[in-house]
Amino acid sequence: SQTIHQWPATLVQPVGSPLSLECTVEGTSNPNLYWYRQAAGRGLQLLFYSVGIGQISSEVPQNLSASRPQDRQFILSSKKLLLSDSGFYLCAWSLGGMAEAFFGQGTRLTVV
Amino acid sequence: AQKITQTQPGMFVQEKEAVTLDCTYDTSDPSYGLFWYKQPSSGEMIFLIYQGSYDQQNATEGRYSLNFQKARKSANLVISASQLGDSAMYFCAMREMAGANSKLTFGKGITLSVRP
Repeated sequence: SQTIHQWPATLVQPVGSPLSLECTVEGTSNPNLYWYRQAAGRGLQLLFYSVGIGQISSEVPQNLSASRPQDRQFILSSKKLLLSDSGFYLCAWSLGGMAEAFFGQGTRLTVV
Repeated sequence: AQKITQTQPGMFVQEKEAVTLDCTYDTSDPSYGLFWYKQPSSGEMIFLIYQGSYDQQNATEGRYSLNFQKARKSANLVISASQLGDSAMYFCAMREMAGANSKLTFGKGITLSVRP
């Protein structure tokens, strides 16, 4: 069966520090991968999605970047965090077509 | 323009009663899919139900059913026999097939509270 791992679960980082959140998927090949951000009590904002290794589409210009170095690995990064980067970050995967997306447990990032 | 609209304020329902959560969508793509997710306080996103734009019948999954009205572009979630564990935030989402990449776009969500 397929599983998705996302870590860490919580993170407190100072302003100006770098960020690296990692997401890996097991049990499937060539998944579509997504990074979403959710502000407190708000909806999900799509940040990046990827349909293959090295293929990244950015939805929102921001202080973040994403990379997909391996088929089932998706990384969200920042060189210098801002206070506004605080939020709940969710990684997800899906197959192509109209398949539903499956989410990781999320990372609660607080930038102080 | 918003693709998915969820405008209800926080919803309350008595335990064992049914509740309808509203969702309207906007697309010109004839091929699309509609999804509902549940997000309890733990933060995980749980897939509930899916409706395809070409499906002739409304989707059902246990106590969840989707009231799909294509002409009105609405895809309301109906939860029957509400349970205390149904208290959560609920998100409607859409995937359009236009182009090679089909993104999943979410609405802002609706908070549901089930009263004992």
